[in-house]
Amino acid sequence: DSGVTQTPKHLITATGQRVTLRCSPRSGDLSVYWYQQSLDQGLQFLIQYYNGEERAKGNILERFSAQQFPDLHSELNLSSLELGDSALYFCASSVGGTGERTYGYTFGSGTRLTVV
Amino acid sequence: GEDVEQSLFLSVREGDSSVINCTYTDSSSTYLYWYKQEPGAGLQLLTYIFSNMDMKQDQRLTVLLNKKDKHLSLRIADTQTGDSAIYFCAEILRDDKIIFGKGTRLHILP
Repeated sequence: DSGVTQTPKHLITATGQRVTLRCSPRSGDLSVYWYQQSLDQGLQFLIQYYNGEERAKGNILERFSAQQFPDLHSELNLSSLELGDSALYFCASSVGGTGERTYGYTFGSGTRLTVV
Repeated sequence: GEDVEQSLFLSVREGDSSVINCTYTDSSSTYLYWYKQEPGAGLQLLTYIFSNMDMKQDQRLTVLLNKKDKHLSLRIADTQTGDSAIYFCAEILRDDKIIFGKGTRLHILP
């Protein structure tokens, strides 16, 4: 157990629907990162939050949004889902600042989203 | 641009050494990482190397860094079936963002 908790582990939904993925970071970590992993695109950085504030944005679609709450857990909202959104979505956390330079990120086990 | 390149597949016989190569782009990267992803699991930090080092050894793992060529490699000695996984190379940029390669899938032959 890495200490980063992601729910649900699996999600199957229809095109056009909206889903919410949840992440609880490791205790003490202030930064949360969201990644999308697909077979052809590898690991794509979506967005980072640090202590409740958006810190960096990657290749995140406008249909996707995220937030980090005061208790530091984060949610990734995916709407108007398309077949191509089927992927593994990972959350990672880190201390923030220069802490991650030595220890990198700690990853959760991911949510597998299947859009049918 | 920011890009980390690595080959997608590697097949190695059990007991042999595996060498996974990676090239990165940011010469100012202070830390470089190797992550391991086993089937159905998230990425796990395997090892890291600080940019002022040429080599780091940790049991069966040896990391070599060539800063001039921006080349990083991971050598796994005496490869076992449990080493079968996807290995990601990653670099950290000045804004503390970590960029990952697409991963190398290591397949162990009996």
